[in-house]
Amino acid sequence: GAVVSQHPSWVICKSGTSVKIECRSLDFQATTMFWYRQFPKQSLMLMATSNEGSKATYEQGVEKDKFLINHASLTLSTLTVTSAHPEDSSFYICSAQASGRYNEQFFGPGTRLTVL
Amino acid sequence: AQSVAQPEDQVNVAEGNPLTVKCTYSVSGNPYLFWYVQYPNRGLQFLLKYITGDNLVKGSYGFEAEFNKSQTSFHLKKPSALVSDSALYFCAADNYGQNFVFGPGTRLSVLP
Repeated sequence: GAVVSQHPSWVICKSGTSVKIECRSLDFQATTMFWYRQFPKQSLMLMATSNEGSKATYEQGVEKDKFLINHASLTLSTLTVTSAHPEDSSFYICSAQASGRYNEQFFGPGTRLTVL
Repeated sequence: AQSVAQPEDQVNVAEGNPLTVKCTYSVSGNPYLFWYVQYPNRGLQFLLKYITGDNLVKGSYGFEAEFNKSQTSFHLKKPSALVSDSALYFCAADNYGQNFVFGPGTRLSVLP
């Protein structure tokens, strides 16, 4: 149980285009989902926290207009990188927090974004 | 500021030898502590967690971790390392669900 999927697992796009990444909790309801970014050889950096049905809370320094997060249902959150640039190239990982299990996050497999 | 430290960027150990990956935390209260493993180009996999109770926690793949409150440490250990254990290991602390903080990661290389 507690499986989280991400789609796509790997994406290459041209500079200036937008890319949507989906994060799904497959067998549980996730009231809260988190989006992380990981640069090469570095730790995870929390970008934002999204609660189902409400606006995401962004960490300091993360552009909310650049990284659009939608958490429309208890099993799906999306991250859209708008007008992507090469510096947005990174590994994006989502995690989902099950209802009533606030102290445990289940991580998706990650999405590698390369912007040319 | 709340933080998790992993003092070693890289740990090298010979296959069959015991391994230790160190973690110390600076988080207020009594945080929950976690270890995750990340294989190349993959997401994180949960290894184990400490919530309360016995200071020695056993987890997946033969790993265990020892919680030491006085030293604010949560070192990851395994009695006998395997080449397949080579990966990036992250320690994390969760302060009652308010703040999930990751350490910088330690790259473990197990040499055959």
